[in-house]
Amino acid sequence: GAGVSQSPSNKVTEKGKDVELRCDPISGHTALYWYRQSLGQGLEFLIYFQGNSAPDKSGLPSDRFSAERTGGSVSTLTIQRTQQEDSAVYLCASSLASSGNTEAFFGQGTRLTVV
Amino acid sequence: RKEVEQDPGPFNVPEGATVAFNCTYSNSASQSFFWYRQDCRKEPKLLMSVYSSGNEDGRFTAQLNRASQYISLLIRDSKLSDSATYLCVARRAAGNKLTFGGGTRVLVKP
Repeated sequence: GAGVSQSPSNKVTEKGKDVELRCDPISGHTALYWYRQSLGQGLEFLIYFQGNSAPDKSGLPSDRFSAERTGGSVSTLTIQRTQQEDSAVYLCASSLASSGNTEAFFGQGTRLTVV
Repeated sequence: RKEVEQDPGPFNVPEGATVAFNCTYSNSASQSFFWYRQDCRKEPKLLMSVYSSGNEDGRFTAQLNRASQYISLLIRDSKLSDSATYLCVARRAAGNKLTFGGGTRVLVKP
């Protein structure tokens, strides 16, 4: 596809269940980011990948959150034992290079609701 | 203190008027800056990059002041369609973390 693709677009899960969110970046983009946005709030940084490695995972809120990226392409964000406060829109973005004025392109997000 | 800070607004702007707002950043190692626009329940989209000399794109002008560590966005001849949240973004020179401000909400009214 031409843009960043995220799936599912919406996810409702019961408290305590694990969820996996997927991000397909733009082909050839080496940098990939995960952010979280709660209703009416700004973007909260979670983790950044350069290729398959994660130089900065400082934003992951707890050890229930993990992410991986394989083949320098698709990334998966996993939330274990979900809690109600995990409810938010999870946004993925990718960019071509690791510096300079290279813009990041966002996917449409996964809206996660924990009930 | 947040690394990138913005006035949340809202800025209520009459149609056709000019509006300007700033964003301050605390990390002097920040190298690149951007303005993104986010519509309600949509993903952020790039509005413009911000260059050291300042740059203009149609009705939008961005300025960077490294000495005072702020960037600004000015919108001339505001249109109803300019109503959105404007997000300021800073990228560090080392590493590639993109840090977003909380956004400034702009409401353009007839």
